[in-house]
Amino acid sequence: DAMVIQNPRYQVTQFGKPVTLSCSQTLNHNVMYWYQQKSSQAPKLLFHYYDKDFNNEADTPDNFQSRRPNTSFCFLDIRSPGLGDAAMYLCATFRRGEGYTFGSGTRLTVV
Amino acid sequence: DQQVKQNSPSLSVQEGRISILNCDYTNSMFDYFLWYKKYPAEGPTFLISISSIKDKNEDGRFTVFLNKSAKHLSLHIVPSQPGDSAVYFCAASLNKAGGGADGLTFGKGTHLIIQP
Repeated sequence: DAMVIQNPRYQVTQFGKPVTLSCSQTLNHNVMYWYQQKSSQAPKLLFHYYDKDFNNEADTPDNFQSRRPNTSFCFLDIRSPGLGDAAMYLCATFRRGEGYTFGSGTRLTVV
Repeated sequence: DQQVKQNSPSLSVQEGRISILNCDYTNSMFDYFLWYKKYPAEGPTFLISISSIKDKNEDGRFTVFLNKSAKHLSLHIVPSQPGDSAVYFCAASLNKAGGGADGLTFGKGTHLIIQP
């Protein structure tokens, strides 16, 4: 089945140690999003790619970076995770006419 | 400042009865509204949507109502079933076609619990 896959499902990282979350899709959707969802909060958009064009939300911290080497893959890099970065990170894809498809998320714990 | 608000963190409904989940928004530029359902350890899955030019959309047991003047929408589930127990997110888009720079703006979600 075509889908959006996020790896790993659970990630534990040390305070200040760089960590990378990955998202892959078999849908061939041209738009990919990264959302951050903290406990009991609404998912918050961090950035998105329209094809190869990267778009950062104004309030996304510089600590968060992203890479999209090809249509299928998108990575979220957290350069120096702090305790406040512990959250569920959701990847979503979009194509006009097909709507949004979300991955299962990666739950990040910072220790 | 939250643009999409779901003021009830949780809702408990008896099986077979109607579940009504509410959502309010502040941005009058929102053009398209969606409801997502989320089970634990899974990503949100699309449930139903409504364009701002409509006031009602129905799909099986699910109906979404939109009151633009009140900036309010609601999701009705009739009859409620145990499998409906999940977190429901209200989301809004500035662009009916979707996929824009703003993506989706979400509410905090309402945890619906269907009691047997």
